[in-house]
Amino acid sequence: ETGVTQSPTHLIKTRGQQVTLRCSSQSGHNTVSWYQQALGQGPQFIFQYYREEENGRGNFPPRFSGLQFPNYSSELNVNALELDDSALYLCASSYLARGKLGETQYFGPGTRLLVL
Amino acid sequence: AQSVSQHNHHVILSEAASLELGCNYSYGGTVNLFWYVQYPGQHLQLLLKYFSGDPLVKGIKGFEAEFIKSKFSFNLRKPSVQWSDTAEYFCAVKGNNRLAFGKGNQVVVIP
Repeated sequence: ETGVTQSPTHLIKTRGQQVTLRCSSQSGHNTVSWYQQALGQGPQFIFQYYREEENGRGNFPPRFSGLQFPNYSSELNVNALELDDSALYLCASSYLARGKLGETQYFGPGTRLLVL
Repeated sequence: AQSVSQHNHHVILSEAASLELGCNYSYGGTVNLFWYVQYPGQHLQLLLKYFSGDPLVKGIKGFEAEFIKSKFSFNLRKPSVQWSDTAEYFCAVKGNNRLAFGKGNQVVVIP
C-alpha cells in the first residue's frame, strides 16, 4: 500500500459527457502526476501538479484538465468524452524538491473508465 | 522527449528459472530509471530505482537491475523466479517532470 487513494474505482460514461476523477496523495508528498493506461500499454503521462500549479504536460488535448488543492489532493477532469478515453487512469504522488534529483512516484490503484 | 523500449512482451517460464527483462531508454539528460511491477488485480508498485552511484541496484523480492550507460540499458534480473512473480513489469525513465514507460513485459511463471 502506498497511501495514494483514488475514486471512484470504476466509472461508465457515454460519449460527450464529462468526468471528474479524484486522487489523494500520500502524506508528506507535494506533487501529483496523472497517467492514462490503455489496455496492453504502459502508462502515458497526462500532466503533473506541483504546489497547485501545472508542472508539465504530456501530449493530451486541452479537454483534459486538472486541479491540485492546498492539501495536495488532485482532480482530473475530462470533457467531451470520446470512446478512446476508455482506459485506466492512474494518479501518482511524490515529493518534489526544486533543484534536487531523485523524485520517486508512488501510484494509486487507478480509476477504470469505460466510455460507451 | 524521453522514451523506453521493452522487448519480448510476453515471457513464460517455469519456477526456479532465471529471468532477464531488457530495457533500453532514450534521454539526453541525467537519468533516473525505475522498474515497476503490477501484480494481477493490484496497483503499480515500485520494484527498484537508479538515481546515481553503484550501477547495480537491488530491489524487493530478490530483483536487481544493472544500469549500463554506454548501452542506454537498465535490464532487470532475478536468478530464480517463483509463481508469485507472475505479473506485468514496466521500465520507466524520468525526465522533464514525467515518467516515460515502456509497453511492459507480461511474465507468467508456471509452477
